[in-house]
Amino acid sequence: KAGVTQTPRYLIKTRGQQVTLSCSPISGHRSVSWYQQTPGQGLQFLFEYFSETQRNKGNFPGRFSGRQFSNSRSEMNVSTLELGDSALYLCASSLGTGGHTEAFFGQGTRLTVV
Amino acid sequence: EDQVTQSPEALRLQEGESSSLNCSYTVSGLRGLFWYRQDPGKGPEFLFTLYSAGEEKEKERLKATLTKKESFLHITAPKPEDSATYLCAVQILRTGNQFYFGTGTSLTVIP
Repeated sequence: KAGVTQTPRYLIKTRGQQVTLSCSPISGHRSVSWYQQTPGQGLQFLFEYFSETQRNKGNFPGRFSGRQFSNSRSEMNVSTLELGDSALYLCASSLGTGGHTEAFFGQGTRLTVV
Repeated sequence: EDQVTQSPEALRLQEGESSSLNCSYTVSGLRGLFWYRQDPGKGPEFLFTLYSAGEEKEKERLKATLTKKESFLHITAPKPEDSATYLCAVQILRTGNQFYFGTGTSLTVIP
């Protein structure tokens, strides 16, 4: 059974640019959540998508956005990059319904903003 | 305010020396408590989910327990390959699938 796939694994971008990260969840999983991980703040929730709809959103500025496609694959976009956006971005895949609450994470995308 | 606190921040053990990691939580309406293991540069790896006080789960050298205010991850006779950061997270009823993570315990097991 394939796991959660995130691409690319590493990115270097310049301040002011925009970036798009991709996440392919486990087959059959309809919920995809995104998290930002930094040494100072730990793991912080960005947003969750379920069946192509944003179901929940964390406390991040509007520069952070996402979407989900009909095959459950998800992308997140960060516009007007700032140095502080450098982080490991993780996506978590889960069934998203009923009592099935376990979530499985991808390996992450390491974004460096210079 | 919903809060998850892990202690200690770092723990060094000799191989075979058992110990426990703590995760205390203050939330309204616990949906589930989760333990993950994270190796450097990798995503968190799912270990356990606990839903109600008194519940226990085991996997190899690890055992997780849950009370109404905290969870413990007991590590019995650890090996060097158990070295990692252990993360505790909760989900609450109000926000569904959203995880609230603690800051983790960095475990080093010395041969």
